Amino acid sequence: AQKVTQAQTEISVVEKEDVTLDCVYETRDTTYYLFWYKQPPSGELVFLIRRNSFDEQNEISGRYSWNFQKSTSSFNFTITASQVVDSAVYFCALDSGGGADGLTFGKGTHLIIQP
Amino acid sequence: DSGVTQTPKHLITATGQRVTLRCSPRSGDLSVYWYQQSLDQGLQFLIQYYNGEERAKGNILERFSAQQFPDLHSELNLSSLELGDSALYFCASSVEGQRDLPDTQYFGPGTRLTVL
Repeated sequence: AQKVTQAQTEISVVEKEDVTLDCVYETRDTTYYLFWYKQPPSGELVFLIRRNSFDEQNEISGRYSWNFQKSTSSFNFTITASQVVDSAVYFCALDSGGGADGLTFGKGTHLIIQP
Repeated sequence: DSGVTQTPKHLITATGQRVTLRCSPRSGDLSVYWYQQSLDQGLQFLIQYYNGEERAKGNILERFSAQQFPDLHSELNLSSLELGDSALYFCASSVEGQRDLPDTQYFGPGTRLTVL
């Protein structure tokens, strides 16, 4: 069975602080994909990143960076110099069925950036 | 804007009723997925269609059904509605969604269903 755990239910920081959102996953498959999605207050789900299990290189996109560590089954997301517009619920998701079984989502982390 | 459209945006109905939610995938995408987001269950995969055929089933109730039409749009039918069916229903699409080659799923804006 697959499982994604986002232990941080809610995080509140002041603008310009760095913040890391944790994601731990469980799967028996050797090939799998990990995703992060953002759900702003407006409600839509916005795709942020996709990573496959064979690529452990960290990725940086502007103020966003992702740290994938297979040894600890973690795929953490860091926002540097946070901004109020980053306030949202962030979901980590796992796909080990090749998209044919849907995504398994974590419960989400509600990130609040205070001005 | 993901390119996935869903209608209606909001739906309010009564227990026991039946509703239909509609989804149009991104241009070129063949796979459509349906998810339910509720406070107690979180985001749960319901069902996937690929090019008109059902490909995978998740936690979909027997009262719920879906189909994908030749023009690739999809409909999710919810019947004998209960209070607990109140949720945000998302549709997502991807290029193919095959077992060995997953594609990124892009989500629509969702339909918020309220059952009174």
